[in-house]
Amino acid sequence: DAGITQSPRHKVTETGTPVTLRCHQTENHRYMYWYRQDPGHGLRLIHYSYGVKDTDKGEVSDGYSVSRSKTEDFLLTLESATSSQTSVYFCAISDSPGGNTIYFGEGSWLTVV
Amino acid sequence: AQSVTQPDIHITVSEGASLELRCNYSYGATPYLFWYVQSPGQGLQLLLKYFSGDTLVQGIKGFEAEFKRSQSSFNLRKPSVHWSDAAEYFCAVGVNPTGFQKLVFGTGTRLLVSP
Repeated sequence: DAGITQSPRHKVTETGTPVTLRCHQTENHRYMYWYRQDPGHGLRLIHYSYGVKDTDKGEVSDGYSVSRSKTEDFLLTLESATSSQTSVYFCAISDSPGGNTIYFGEGSWLTVV
Repeated sequence: AQSVTQPDIHITVSEGASLELRCNYSYGATPYLFWYVQSPGQGLQLLLKYFSGDTLVQGIKGFEAEFKRSQSSFNLRKPSVHWSDAAEYFCAVGVNPTGFQKLVFGTGTRLLVSP
């Protein structure tokens, strides 16, 4: 299994509070991703990173920001959580920009009440 | 725009019976195709992938998939299902709009295995 650790694994938070999810990898892979998983939607890309301090938006980036100050860490922040952001969040990593396998972490379950 | 369709939300198969999960994609260029499996409460595990070459791809746990360009399909098969195969299965296409691969997922098929 790829060395990907997500924290926290489970969190309940209140509407309007900030939340940060952390993804830590030990594979030294350059490319990192944040996806969210919702019933009926599969997984959708929120943000991705192609290097330290290099990030870009995915298809569902509104309400989210990311930061990558070190190769091994990719942070996802909900500045002001809303109930629509209740979801399971998956971090993923890859060592190639194209044609290679993307490995997933075990997920972070976030509930916004 | 690229998309992946998994037409079956749920499938129930008897243990020992054969399995086929359907996947159709829409993508203008040569696709990279993947099947992932997710057990309840777990992350996604790669079953198999197709990049080029032989259109019949072998994966882990006895799964295989066949790429058919003419049908834009990448169906997953297993000749004999085990109870431990009960899980959710996701088909995905790797897209490279700017030379950087991202995965576009289908909505998943939940496999139930009956005794």
